[in-house]
Amino acid sequence: GNSVTQMEGPVTLSEEAFLTINCTYTATGYPSLFWYVQYPGEGLQLLLKATKADDKGSNKGFEATYRKETTSFHLEKGSVQVSDSAVYFCALSSYSGNTPLVFGKGTRLSVIA
Amino acid sequence: SAVISQKPSRDICQRGTSLTIQCQVDSQVTMMFWYRQQPGQSLTLIATANQGSEATYESGFVIDKFPISRPNLTFSTLTVSNMSPEDSSIYLCSVVAGKASYEQYFGPGTRLTVT
Repeated sequence: GNSVTQMEGPVTLSEEAFLTINCTYTATGYPSLFWYVQYPGEGLQLLLKATKADDKGSNKGFEATYRKETTSFHLEKGSVQVSDSAVYFCALSSYSGNTPLVFGKGTRLSVIA
Repeated sequence: SAVISQKPSRDICQRGTSLTIQCQVDSQVTMMFWYRQQPGQSLTLIATANQGSEATYESGFVIDKFPISRPNLTFSTLTVSNMSPEDSSIYLCSVVAGKASYEQYFGPGTRLTVT
Protein backbone atom coordinates (compact mmCIF):
# COMPACT_ATOMS: atom_id res chain seq x y z
CA GLY A 1 0.00 0.00 0.00
CA ASN A 2 0.91 3.67 -0.10
CA SER A 3 3.12 5.07 2.63
CA VAL A 4 5.06 8.21 3.54
CA THR A 5 8.26 8.33 5.55
CA GLN A 6 9.30 11.59 7.10
CA MET A 7 12.44 12.53 8.97
CA GLU A 8 12.12 12.31 12.71
CA GLY A 9 11.96 15.45 14.74
CA PRO A 10 12.01 17.59 16.62
CA VAL A 11 14.13 20.00 14.60
CA THR A 12 15.45 23.13 16.29
CA LEU A 13 16.96 25.91 14.20
CA SER A 14 18.07 29.45 14.74
CA GLU A 15 16.27 32.22 12.91
CA GLU A 16 17.48 32.66 9.29
CA ALA A 17 18.89 29.12 9.14
CA PHE A 18 18.25 26.84 6.16
CA LEU A 19 15.58 24.20 6.59
CA THR A 20 15.27 20.78 5.02
CA ILE A 21 12.69 18.21 6.10
CA ASN A 22 13.07 14.95 4.23
CA CYS A 23 10.09 13.04 2.89
CA THR A 24 10.06 9.88 0.81
CA TYR A 25 7.08 7.89 -0.36
CA THR A 26 5.99 4.50 -1.61
CA ALA A 27 3.05 4.43 -3.96
CA THR A 28 1.65 2.72 -6.99
CA GLY A 29 1.12 4.88 -10.02
CA TYR A 30 1.67 8.60 -9.88
CA PRO A 31 0.50 10.11 -6.60
CA SER A 32 -0.02 13.76 -5.80
CA LEU A 33 2.22 15.02 -3.01
CA PHE A 34 1.53 17.60 -0.34
CA TRP A 35 3.01 19.38 2.62
CA TYR A 36 0.65 20.45 5.39
CA VAL A 37 1.49 22.65 8.35
CA GLN A 38 -0.11 22.62 11.78
CA TYR A 39 0.57 25.66 13.95
CA PRO A 40 0.18 25.27 17.71
CA GLY A 41 -3.45 24.77 18.67
CA GLU A 42 -4.69 24.97 15.10
CA GLY A 43 -5.88 22.63 12.35
CA LEU A 44 -4.00 21.57 9.26
CA GLN A 45 -3.29 24.01 6.47
CA LEU A 46 -2.25 23.05 2.99
CA LEU A 47 1.22 24.52 2.53
CA LEU A 48 2.12 23.38 -0.97
CA LYS A 49 1.50 20.62 -3.49
CA ALA A 50 2.85 18.93 -6.60
CA THR A 51 0.92 16.64 -8.86
CA LYS A 52 3.48 15.26 -11.30
CA ALA A 53 7.16 14.48 -11.57
CA ASP A 54 9.53 17.47 -11.54
CA ASP A 55 6.76 19.83 -10.39
CA LYS A 56 7.89 22.30 -7.76
CA GLY A 57 5.39 23.42 -5.18
CA SER A 58 6.05 26.68 -3.38
CA ASN A 59 4.37 28.92 -0.84
CA LYS A 60 5.47 31.37 1.88
CA GLY A 61 9.14 30.81 0.99
CA PHE A 62 8.84 27.03 1.28
CA GLU A 63 9.58 24.78 -1.69
CA ALA A 64 9.43 21.10 -2.51
CA THR A 65 10.17 19.28 -5.77
CA TYR A 66 8.46 16.05 -6.80
CA ARG A 67 11.33 13.65 -7.58
CA LYS A 68 10.03 10.46 -9.09
CA GLU A 69 13.47 8.88 -9.51
CA THR A 70 14.16 9.14 -5.78
CA THR A 71 10.49 9.01 -4.69
CA SER A 72 11.07 12.11 -2.61
CA PHE A 73 9.39 15.42 -1.83
CA HIS A 74 11.73 17.21 0.56
CA LEU A 75 10.60 20.51 2.08
CA GLU A 76 13.06 23.41 2.05
CA LYS A 77 13.18 27.02 3.13
CA GLY A 78 16.18 29.26 2.76
CA SER A 79 15.69 31.38 5.88
CA VAL A 80 13.30 30.30 8.62
CA GLN A 81 11.53 32.64 11.00
CA VAL A 82 10.23 32.14 14.51
CA SER A 83 6.71 32.18 13.05
CA ASP A 84 7.53 29.01 11.08
CA SER A 85 7.55 27.00 14.29
CA ALA A 86 4.95 24.29 13.71
CA VAL A 87 4.49 20.63 12.86
CA TYR A 88 4.96 19.77 9.19
CA PHE A 89 3.28 16.76 7.58
CA CYS A 90 4.15 15.22 4.25
CA ALA A 91 1.23 13.45 2.57
CA LEU A 92 0.18 11.77 -0.65
CA SER A 93 -2.99 10.90 -2.46
CA SER A 94 -3.49 8.56 -5.35
CA TYR A 95 -3.27 9.77 -8.91
CA SER A 96 -6.99 9.70 -9.33
CA GLY A 97 -7.59 12.18 -6.53
CA ASN A 98 -10.77 12.12 -4.51
CA THR A 99 -9.07 9.75 -2.12
CA PRO A 100 -7.99 10.11 1.48
CA LEU A 101 -4.51 11.31 2.26
CA VAL A 102 -1.75 9.12 3.63
CA PHE A 103 0.32 11.12 6.10
CA GLY A 104 3.85 10.91 7.38
CA LYS A 105 4.36 11.06 11.13
CA GLY A 106 5.04 14.78 11.16
CA THR A 107 8.14 16.79 12.01
CA ARG A 108 8.05 19.40 14.74
CA LEU A 109 10.08 22.49 13.90
CA SER A 110 11.10 25.02 16.53
CA VAL A 111 12.81 28.22 15.41
CA ILE A 112 14.56 30.26 18.08
CA ALA A 113 15.47 33.91 17.83
CA SER B 1 -10.69 26.07 -1.65
CA ALA B 2 -13.35 25.31 0.95
CA VAL B 3 -14.18 26.79 4.32
CA ILE B 4 -14.94 24.15 6.91
CA SER B 5 -16.31 24.61 10.40
CA GLN B 6 -16.57 22.08 13.17
CA LYS B 7 -18.61 22.02 16.35
CA PRO B 8 -17.74 21.76 19.14
CA SER B 9 -14.18 23.03 18.98
CA ARG B 10 -13.36 21.18 22.17
CA ASP B 11 -15.09 19.19 24.87
CA ILE B 12 -14.36 17.28 28.03
CA CYS B 13 -16.52 14.21 28.43
CA GLN B 14 -16.95 11.43 30.94
CA ARG B 15 -16.20 7.86 30.03
CA GLY B 16 -19.17 5.88 28.82
CA THR B 17 -20.89 8.87 27.23
CA SER B 18 -21.12 9.82 23.54
CA LEU B 19 -20.28 13.00 21.65
CA THR B 20 -21.44 14.06 18.21
CA ILE B 21 -19.16 16.29 16.17
CA GLN B 22 -20.56 18.36 13.34
CA CYS B 23 -18.76 19.36 10.16
CA GLN B 24 -20.16 22.07 7.88
CA VAL B 25 -18.69 23.06 4.51
CA ASP B 26 -19.43 26.30 2.67
CA SER B 27 -19.89 24.54 -0.67
CA GLN B 28 -21.08 21.20 -1.99
CA VAL B 29 -18.36 18.58 -1.98
CA THR B 30 -18.40 14.98 -3.05
CA MET B 31 -15.69 13.55 -0.85
CA MET B 32 -15.61 14.07 2.91
CA PHE B 33 -13.38 12.25 5.36
CA TRP B 34 -12.99 11.95 9.11
CA TYR B 35 -9.54 11.66 10.69
CA ARG B 36 -8.26 11.17 14.20
CA GLN B 37 -5.07 12.71 15.54
CA GLN B 38 -4.00 11.23 18.84
CA PRO B 39 -1.78 13.36 21.09
CA GLY B 40 1.58 14.00 19.46
CA GLN B 41 0.76 11.69 16.55
CA SER B 42 -0.02 11.93 12.87
CA LEU B 43 -3.45 11.70 11.32
CA THR B 44 -5.26 8.41 10.89
CA LEU B 45 -8.24 8.04 8.60
CA ILE B 46 -11.38 6.85 10.38
CA ALA B 47 -13.81 6.70 7.49
CA THR B 48 -15.07 8.19 4.27
CA ALA B 49 -18.47 9.82 4.73
CA ASN B 50 -20.63 8.93 1.73
CA GLN B 51 -23.65 11.00 0.89
CA GLY B 52 -26.78 8.89 0.79
CA SER B 53 -25.13 5.65 1.87
CA GLU B 54 -23.20 4.13 4.73
CA ALA B 55 -19.75 5.40 5.54
CA THR B 56 -16.72 3.36 4.51
CA TYR B 57 -14.58 2.54 7.55
CA GLU B 58 -10.87 1.88 7.72
CA SER B 59 -9.40 -1.14 9.42
CA GLY B 60 -9.65 -0.77 13.17
CA PHE B 61 -12.68 1.51 13.12
CA VAL B 62 -16.26 0.25 13.32
CA ILE B 63 -19.65 1.81 12.79
CA ASP B 64 -20.92 0.98 16.27
CA LYS B 65 -18.11 3.00 17.82
CA PHE B 66 -17.96 5.82 15.25
CA PRO B 67 -21.34 6.20 13.54
CA ILE B 68 -21.28 8.77 10.75
CA SER B 69 -24.08 10.59 8.99
CA ARG B 70 -23.88 12.48 5.71
CA PRO B 71 -27.36 13.80 4.94
CA ASN B 72 -26.25 16.17 2.16
CA LEU B 73 -23.20 17.44 0.29
CA THR B 74 -22.29 20.15 2.80
CA PHE B 75 -22.72 18.47 6.19
CA SER B 76 -21.61 15.42 8.15
CA THR B 77 -21.51 14.24 11.74
CA LEU B 78 -19.21 11.84 13.55
CA THR B 79 -20.28 10.34 16.86
CA VAL B 80 -17.75 8.93 19.28
CA SER B 81 -19.73 6.38 21.28
CA ASN B 82 -19.20 4.85 24.71
CA MET B 83 -16.05 6.89 25.16
CA SER B 84 -12.95 5.85 27.05
CA PRO B 85 -9.80 7.87 27.82
CA GLU B 86 -8.15 6.25 24.78
CA ASP B 87 -10.57 8.22 22.60
CA SER B 88 -8.97 11.49 23.70
CA SER B 89 -7.82 12.96 20.40
CA ILE B 90 -8.37 15.70 17.90
CA TYR B 91 -11.03 14.74 15.37
CA LEU B 92 -10.86 16.44 11.99
CA CYS B 93 -13.10 16.44 9.00
CA SER B 94 -11.72 17.14 5.57
CA VAL B 95 -13.04 17.61 2.06
CA VAL B 96 -11.66 17.38 -1.42
CA ALA B 97 -12.05 20.64 -3.30
CA GLY B 98 -10.31 22.68 -5.92
CA LYS B 99 -10.27 22.69 -9.70
CA ALA B 100 -8.44 19.44 -10.18
CA SER B 101 -10.18 17.76 -7.24
CA TYR B 102 -7.01 16.65 -5.54
CA GLU B 103 -6.65 19.35 -2.91
CA GLN B 104 -7.86 18.35 0.51
CA TYR B 105 -8.85 20.90 3.11
CA PHE B 106 -9.30 20.39 6.82
CA GLY B 107 -11.60 21.75 9.43
CA PRO B 108 -10.14 23.28 12.59
CA GLY B 109 -10.65 20.06 14.52
CA THR B 110 -12.49 19.05 17.67
CA ARG B 111 -10.27 18.48 20.67
CA LEU B 112 -11.83 15.75 22.81
CA THR B 113 -10.71 14.84 26.30
CA VAL B 114 -12.28 11.86 27.99
CA THR B 115 -11.94 11.60 31.77
